[in-house]
Amino acid sequence: DAGVTQSPTHLIKTRGQQVTLRCSPKSGHDTVSWYQQALGQGPQFIFQYYEEEERQRGNFPDRFSGHQFPNYSSELNVNALLLGDSALYLCASSLATGRTYEQYFGPGTRLTVT
Amino acid sequence: QQQVKQSPQSLIVQKGGISIINCAYENTAFDYFPWYQQFPGKGPALLIAIRPDVSEKKEGRFTISFNKSAKQFSLHIMDSQPGDSATYFCAASHSGGYQKVTFGTGTKLQVIP
Repeated sequence: DAGVTQSPTHLIKTRGQQVTLRCSPKSGHDTVSWYQQALGQGPQFIFQYYEEEERQRGNFPDRFSGHQFPNYSSELNVNALLLGDSALYLCASSLATGRTYEQYFGPGTRLTVT
Repeated sequence: QQQVKQSPQSLIVQKGGISIINCAYENTAFDYFPWYQQFPGKGPALLIAIRPDVSEKKEGRFTISFNKSAKQFSLHIMDSQPGDSATYFCAASHSGGYQKVTFGTGTKLQVIP
């Protein structure tokens, strides 16, 4: 049973550039959430996608946008990168009708902005 | 606004000892409280979770204790092993929040032989 996969594993970008991160959810899951984890901190919720629409959003600027495809995979886009965007970006998948709201995380993409 | 407070920030326990991590929450709408374990370079892995209708849940060496009136919950790791050395996050979510998970700040646990 394939778990949550993310690509790429690591990424180095320059300030002002744009980046796209990708996520494939666990088999059978239909909801994808994205989190940002700064070094030494807990993950912070960015947004969640269900049925190809953004269902909920955390306190992140519009530079952060996303997309969900019909096969439930998802992309996170960040425009006009800032040094402060350097972090581990985590994707989590879940089942919308699941009672326990269990979320399964991928290994993350380490983004470094120089 | 930090809605889930976690302590201690770091913890050193001898092998075979009990590790205890405490969390407190503010939002009374929270109705699902998971704990995640994270190793360096990896994503968080769901360890154990509890709902507020029970006061304790045990799975192997891991136990969650829940105090609804105090809005506090804790993780106990019995017979701690060096392989348990990781960062532990408490978290909370609620059915009206579309499964958005609010995490604590994390506790770095080191189990020494």
